[in-house]
Amino acid sequence: DSGVTQTPKHLITATGQRVTLRCSPRSGDLSVYWYQQSLDQGLQFLIQYYNGEERAKGNILERFSAQQFPDLHSELNLSSLELGDSALYFCASSPSGDKRQPQHFGDGTRLSIL
Amino acid sequence: AQKVTQAQTEISVVEKEDVTLDCVYETRDTTYYLFWYKQPPSGELVFLIRRNSFDEQNEISGRYSWNFQKSTSSFNFTITASQVVDSAVYFCALSEASTGANNLFFGTGTRLTVIP
Repeated sequence: DSGVTQTPKHLITATGQRVTLRCSPRSGDLSVYWYQQSLDQGLQFLIQYYNGEERAKGNILERFSAQQFPDLHSELNLSSLELGDSALYFCASSPSGDKRQPQHFGDGTRLSIL
Repeated sequence: AQKVTQAQTEISVVEKEDVTLDCVYETRDTTYYLFWYKQPPSGELVFLIRRNSFDEQNEISGRYSWNFQKSTSSFNFTITASQVVDSAVYFCALSEASTGANNLFFGTGTRLTVIP
């Protein structure tokens, strides 16, 4: 158990809809990361937050947004969903965002778009 | 630009055989960090090891060992006496010190199947 909690584990929805994925980092970790794992793109970094502030952006679509709340949990919002958004979405956390610190991943949320 | 290559897409071995998973990376940074993660069939990503670019000492942890060679930009992972529980997809990843972001660049993974 990594200590990172993601909910829900599975999500099935339709094209055009909007969903919210939730992540609770390990106790004491201030930095949260979101990754997308798909068959065609592999594991890709989406966005990083550190102590409530956006720290870095990767290949995140404009239809996607995220935030980190004062209690340090994070949410990833995906809107106007398309079939290609079907993927496994991972959240990871680390203590401070220092690159020497490994990121610990949650179990992921599997999103299926019908 | 940074890149991580795991040329072996799938490997099958018989239980108790040794197996080496290859990882080759590209980076212009002199300071960087390399990682291995395991993704078992249940889907979660499990951290295995981190290596700093300035520390080429090989590491052993039980049946696992890692060989880091800067001269060939490789960070290979060997499992000795493989077991069925080792069946998983293994990812090599890179983080560069110069970029402001602390994101990991992952390879495409190697699917290891250990046959009983």
